[in-house]
Amino acid sequence: GDSVTQMEGPVTLSEEAFLTINCTYTATGYPSLFWYVQYPGEGLQLLLKATKADDKGSNKGFEATYRKETTSFHLEKGSVQVSDSAVYFCALSDQMGNTPLVFGKGTRLSVIA
Amino acid sequence: GAVVSQHPSWVICKSGTSVKIECRSLDFQATTMFWYRQFPKQSLMLMATSNEGSKATYEQGVEKDKFLINHASLTLSTLTVTSAHPEDSSFYICSAPPAIGANVLTFGAGSRLTVL
Repeated sequence: GDSVTQMEGPVTLSEEAFLTINCTYTATGYPSLFWYVQYPGEGLQLLLKATKADDKGSNKGFEATYRKETTSFHLEKGSVQVSDSAVYFCALSDQMGNTPLVFGKGTRLSVIA
Repeated sequence: GAVVSQHPSWVICKSGTSVKIECRSLDFQATTMFWYRQFPKQSLMLMATSNEGSKATYEQGVEKDKFLINHASLTLSTLTVTSAHPEDSSFYICSAPPAIGANVLTFGAGSRLTVL
């Protein structure tokens, strides 16, 4: 079945450091890929997405490129802030719509001043 | 944008009682909603797919008599944890596609259940 693997956390960075959270997937067909963020005490929010190979999703300084050849969708940000501290989930959807997402285990990011 | 509201955010109950969690789509209609369960420091596990006007589809290993799902209208799905036990303590999150055919989901803020 479909699956998503993301790097184990927690990740602790100093403010303004570069962030990479690795995510790889296994899926049949051509999935859509997502990054969701969960801030403390809140639900999940869509951070960015990409629907086909070589697409780059971006939002709030975060970026991720859909790499079909390496089945990856790594999340990056050039300069993290304390407010970016949260849990980040990589996810995929293997069908066109109205289907559930398959999530990775989440990576907790802590940014210290 | 599309908003999914969950209620209650927190609930504490005694073992053996039943708890109902509501999930509402506030500004869109949702023929399908998905219920997830999140264990501490773990990912979200899909429990069931709630379908308006028909029976829910449960994932393997999820007890349908334990977790009753009712999707009575296009804007409301409910999850009832029946005869709750401490092992049912968890964070339950609902989600829905913000439009028909959308392959992205909008999530509620979640409901934390603690069973004493």
